[in-house]
Amino acid sequence: DIQMTQSPSSLSASVGDRVTITCRASQGISNYLAWYQLKPGKVPKLLIYSASTLQSGVPSRFSGSGSGTDFTLTISSLQPEDVATYYCLKYNSGPLTFGGGTKVEIK
Amino acid sequence: EVQLVQSGAEVKKPGESLKISCEASGYKFTSYWIGWVRQMPGKGLEWMGVIYPGDSDTRYSPSFQGRVTISADKSISAAYLQWSSLKASDTAIYYCARLEGPIDAFDIWGQGTMVTVSS
Repeated sequence: DIQMTQSPSSLSASVGDRVTITCRASQGISNYLAWYQLKPGKVPKLLIYSASTLQSGVPSRFSGSGSGTDFTLTISSLQPEDVATYYCLKYNSGPLTFGGGTKVEIK
Repeated sequence: EVQLVQSGAEVKKPGESLKISCEASGYKFTSYWIGWVRQMPGKGLEWMGVIYPGDSDTRYSPSFQGRVTISADKSISAAYLQWSSLKASDTAIYYCARLEGPIDAFDIWGQGTMVTVSS
């Protein structure tokens, strides 16, 4: 099975900072990669699919890039409401596999 | 509005059975897959399996095959996740989520159901 390694596991940044989260697949997955935002007590939210396509309604400060094995989620200007845990998901083939998550906090 | 609404939190004892639900609204229930995802306390997300309510085609992650049962009732637009004998290690938040295909990204999620198994 393909493994997804996400880094860092946590980060602390200031409001307005550029934040980058990385996901690496153990084998190539083309662009079958999605990013999710989870907040405690809230409904999880799809941010990015097909590695770089912004889901409707998601703020444009979120962007995704990558193909093959290396992928990145970028928040161009961190906002207080972005405090959450972020997960990548690979979906090129079964089983669907999530990365380990990145907890984002405000410094 | 497209949404998935899950049943409320459950507290059960080891060995008990449980069935939690996920009710869909705002779209054609039989045209999309529904998947289940587990999040154990302090841990990440794990894909458990999916079902296509149109014909009840069901696929399980090898990690959960035989441990849970996924079902759906298209007459009331609801999907279910069921255990016949709970263990303490089943304590987790369980999310349902919608997919366009059996191997696809989840686009709409439910709010999660907290299941606590404790003697």
